[in-house]
Formats: sequence, structure tokens, C-alpha cells
Amino acid sequence: QQQVKQSPQSLIVQKGGISIINCAYENTAFDYFPWYQQFPGKGPALLIAIRPDVSEKKEGRFTISFNKSAKQFSLHIMDSQPGDSATYFCAASTGRSGGYQKVTFGTGTKLQVIP
Amino acid sequence: DAGITQSPRHKVTETGTPVTLRCHQTENHRYMYWYRQDPGHGLRLIHYSYGVKDTDKGEVSDGYSVSRSKTEDFLLTLESATSSQTSVYFCAISESGQGLQETQYFGPGTRLLVL
Repeated sequence: QQQVKQSPQSLIVQKGGISIINCAYENTAFDYFPWYQQFPGKGPALLIAIRPDVSEKKEGRFTISFNKSAKQFSLHIMDSQPGDSATYFCAASTGRSGGYQKVTFGTGTKLQVIP
Repeated sequence: DAGITQSPRHKVTETGTPVTLRCHQTENHRYMYWYRQDPGHGLRLIHYSYGVKDTDKGEVSDGYSVSRSKTEDFLLTLESATSSQTSVYFCAISESGQGLQETQYFGPGTRLLVL
């Protein structure tokens, strides 16, 4: 059962354009939504994350928009650069005090930014 | 990669043979995880550990076993490798898992091909 659905599977954006990746979740117990960036041959690395008590979080050119009622969140990359070409994973997790934190990942979006 | 090494980085093996992958961390983090990454599936948790000799199953644990005899080492064993276990395997660590929204740090991955 895919609890976090991610789209699109792949994305090609012109340099300077806006890249948008969307995710939807089902489990209302999720309370933390990180995005990971993965370059070829490397492990994923945390890019930006949001909690459901805010609707937007911005870090540099990267913004997460969060819609709790629709159970959707998205990553926007402004002024996309060729160096942003990577695979992006959305994720959702539930925190448990003193316990293991289960993270559910989306299926990934391969972004290519062309000059 | 946050003080995480994986060995081997690449391995080719034959169906039916046992395979052991090693994850080593220098961060003294309590939690360690093994994921597999496959196209169209994102990252799926195989097993995790919350301390020395303390392990538990993830969502795709069949055919895999793990051991953690030291804080810094987490071993993943494919007891009798099958072609369906051809994948890229990532180790991850997190500090305490105590309900905090903690980052999971990933290793560089091991690419396994089962013929």
C-alpha cells in the first residue's frame, strides 16, 4: 500500500524556471514531511522539511507548500539550475516519544534542468 | 555522508548464495536502518535497530536478517539471495528516534546484482 503518492515521475525544466513536485498522503497521523534530494551514486540527503502546523516553509530557492485539509504537499524549486538535477523524494513520518520514527517515502521524481 | 560507510559498494552474486552487507557509522547514533531502493517504489524499510542487539522488522523484511553487535555496525544478510533482491541498499542512521522530527542520514549505498 503506497501511503505517499508522488508525481510526476520525471520532470524536465528549463534553467531559470520553476520545478514543482507534488505529494499526497493518506495517513492523518503523519506529522512531519521531509523532502530528500539524491544525486546519482549518492544516498538521499535532507533538503527541507515541514510540520503540519504551518502552510509554507521557504529555504532559499526551495519552498514546501502544505495543505492539511487536502492531505497534499508540494516542493517548489524557484530559478531552477542545472545543479538541481537530481531525484527528489517526499516523505512523511510519525513521531513517537521514546520510540522509533517510521518514515514513508514517495516513489521519487527525477528532475532534469536543461540550460 | 555523515560518517556512514557501506561495504561492499558493488556486489554481483548468484542465486542461492548468502550475502552480507555492512554499515559502519562513526556518529554514535542509536538508530540504524536498512532500506532498499527500487524504481517505482522509492525507499522501503527492511529492518531497523534501536540499540545493540535490538532490532525489528520493516515493511519488506522477508528473506533478510540483521545483526548489531556494536553501536557502530549494522549488518544486513540475505540468507539465500534471489533475483528479486537485486537492488540498491542504503543504510541510514538517526540520533535517538525519541519522537523528535529527526533527520535520517544516509550512507552511499550498495548496488547488489543477483544473477
